[in-house]
Amino acid sequence: AIRMTQSPSSLSASTGDRVTITCRASQGISSYLAWYQQKPGKAPKLLIYAASTLQSGVPSRFSGSGSGTDFTLTISCLQSEDFATYYCQQYYSYPPGFGPGTKVDIK
Amino acid sequence: EVQLVESGGGLVKPGGSLRLSCAASGFTFSSYSMNWVRQAPGKGLEWVSSISSSSSYIYYADSVKGRFTISRDNAKNSLYLQMNSLRAEDTAVYYCAREGRLRIFDYWGQGTLVTVSS
Repeated sequence: AIRMTQSPSSLSASTGDRVTITCRASQGISSYLAWYQQKPGKAPKLLIYAASTLQSGVPSRFSGSGSGTDFTLTISCLQSEDFATYYCQQYYSYPPGFGPGTKVDIK
Repeated sequence: EVQLVESGGGLVKPGGSLRLSCAASGFTFSSYSMNWVRQAPGKGLEWVSSISSSSSYIYYADSVKGRFTISRDNAKNSLYLQMNSLRAEDTAVYYCAREGRLRIFDYWGQGTLVTVSS
């Protein structure tokens, strides 16, 4: 199975900050990568797929990049509603696997 | 509006069984593959199982293979997960998720909590 890692595991930031989260796959997955946001007690929400394609309705301050094994999620100007945990997920092959998550909290 | 509503969670003893259901509405259920994804308390997301639109293709995580069975009833717009031989490590919130594109989960239910404990 393809293993996904994320860094950092957590970060503290302020509203208005630019935030970057990194995701790495244990083998090449082309651009078969998605990003999800999860708030406490809520279901995950799809943000980005195909590494860089924004899901409908997701604000443009979210962006994704990368291919192969290394990927990034960037939030250009952090808003209060963005404090959450972010997961990457590979869908290159079964089993679809998630990274361990990156918690973004308030500094 | 797409809605997925899970039910059937609860407290069960180790070795016991439970059947989860997911009622879908707001989209053509029979056109989409569906999945179960779980999240242990305070932990990350773990994909559990998927079933294609016509039930032709079914996949399981190694951690549940041989114990869990996924199924669907397109006439009832419903997805199921039969869980047998439950273990403490199966304790989690179980989410039903629609597969909008290949193995991408575009809509999720609110989840149902399964607790395996004596």
